[in-house]
Amino acid sequence: DTGVSQDPRHKITKRGQNVTFRCDPISEHNRLYWYRQTLGQGPEFLTYFQNEAQLEKSRLLSDRFSAERPKGSFSTLEIQRTEQGDSAMYLCASSPPWIQYNEQFFGPGTRLTVL
Amino acid sequence: AQSVTQLGSHVSVSEGALVLLRCNYSSSVPPYLFWYVQYPNQGLQLLLKYTSAATLVKGINGFEAEFKKSETSFHLTKPSAHMSDAAEYFCAVSLGSNYKLTFGKGTLLTVNP
Repeated sequence: DTGVSQDPRHKITKRGQNVTFRCDPISEHNRLYWYRQTLGQGPEFLTYFQNEAQLEKSRLLSDRFSAERPKGSFSTLEIQRTEQGDSAMYLCASSPPWIQYNEQFFGPGTRLTVL
Repeated sequence: AQSVTQLGSHVSVSEGALVLLRCNYSSSVPPYLFWYVQYPNQGLQLLLKYTSAATLVKGINGFEAEFKKSETSFHLTKPSAHMSDAAEYFCAVSLGSNYKLTFGKGTLLTVNP
């Protein structure tokens, strides 16, 4: 059983560039979550998918951010026109449909540095 | 609405000493509660969860937590700290099966030899 995987693990970009991150959830997990974690803080919810449907988006997700989950499998998170404030760890998590209490399994994260 | 407060951003203990990490929550409905651990540059690993069954919950690596509704607390304990327990610990709350996790700011645990 492979866990949640994220790619890339690290990304350094210049301000104004676009970046895209990928998350592959655990097989058969129909729920997928994106969180952002800045230094010294706990993860903050960004968005949530059930299968291919994006059911909730946080106010943290400005119009420069877009997330997709085509076919309900992997997901991508794109940030357009990156800003230095976007520097953070981006975490993906998934959970299966048979768990009631929303236990989430986290990937290793993608650390973004915007210069 | 839901929120989590972790008292103490940094806790330092000696190896073999009791570990106590504090978590208080706020929730309008009965919550699900979680403790996660994060090692440097890694994702989060679930330590234990409260899902309205037993109020005393046992997790991995010798950790346990007790849900106290009257105190709205879910403190994490371990009788004897090991060097390998040094990490950041996050308490989180969820209101339902399809809902986001709301995390506290975390507590960094250091273990001194």
